[in-house]
Amino acid sequence: NAGVTQTPKFQVLKTGQSMTLQCAQDMNHEYMSWYRQDPGMGLRLIHYSVGAGITDQGEVPNGYNVSRSTTEDFPLRLLSAAPSQTSVYFCASSYGTGAYNEQFFGPGTRLTVL
Amino acid sequence: KQEVTQIPAALSVPEGENLVLNCSFTDSAIYNLQWFRQDPGKGLTSLLLIQSSQREQTSGRLNASLDKSSGRSTLYIAASQPGDSATYLCAVPSGTYKYIFGTGTRLKVLA
Repeated sequence: NAGVTQTPKFQVLKTGQSMTLQCAQDMNHEYMSWYRQDPGMGLRLIHYSVGAGITDQGEVPNGYNVSRSTTEDFPLRLLSAAPSQTSVYFCASSYGTGAYNEQFFGPGTRLTVL
Repeated sequence: KQEVTQIPAALSVPEGENLVLNCSFTDSAIYNLQWFRQDPGKGLTSLLLIQSSQREQTSGRLNASLDKSSGRSTLYIAASQPGDSATYLCAVPSGTYKYIFGTGTRLKVLA
């Protein structure tokens, strides 16, 4: 099993550009989520999904969109990048449909917005 | 609102020392607590998951305990090694669908 994979590993954007961060898992997990990690702020939840077609907002959803068309994939879209979105982004997944089980994380995407 | 605190923020110890990392949470009605390790520039690796009905979990040199009534968990690392140097994070569920993370303890084990 590859576990949770994320692409790209690094990305530099200009203010106003859009892009999609990819996340995939091969463990047949229903629950998937996106976090951003910033110095001194820890990990903060952006969006999560409890299954295909079901998504909801976390703590810091503004400026980000998600969709879940398959169990395996959970892409995160930045609509119009801003310097405040410079961060490291992690995707995670777990078995079941809630915050009940062990979470598995991807390697992260380091994003810089100029 | 659930809040998670980890103290100390940083810790430096000589190799071979036994050490304890602390995690505190404000709402004791948690379903579980998970400890992670994060190496610089890397993702999070799950170390231990303790369910609310358990008091402790062990994996190799690691032992995690959970005291819900006092809102505390500790991660005990026995006979520390330089390879243990990393940031250690704890996380608890907040409600049914969300996790709240502590800001971590940055551990350095000196050879």
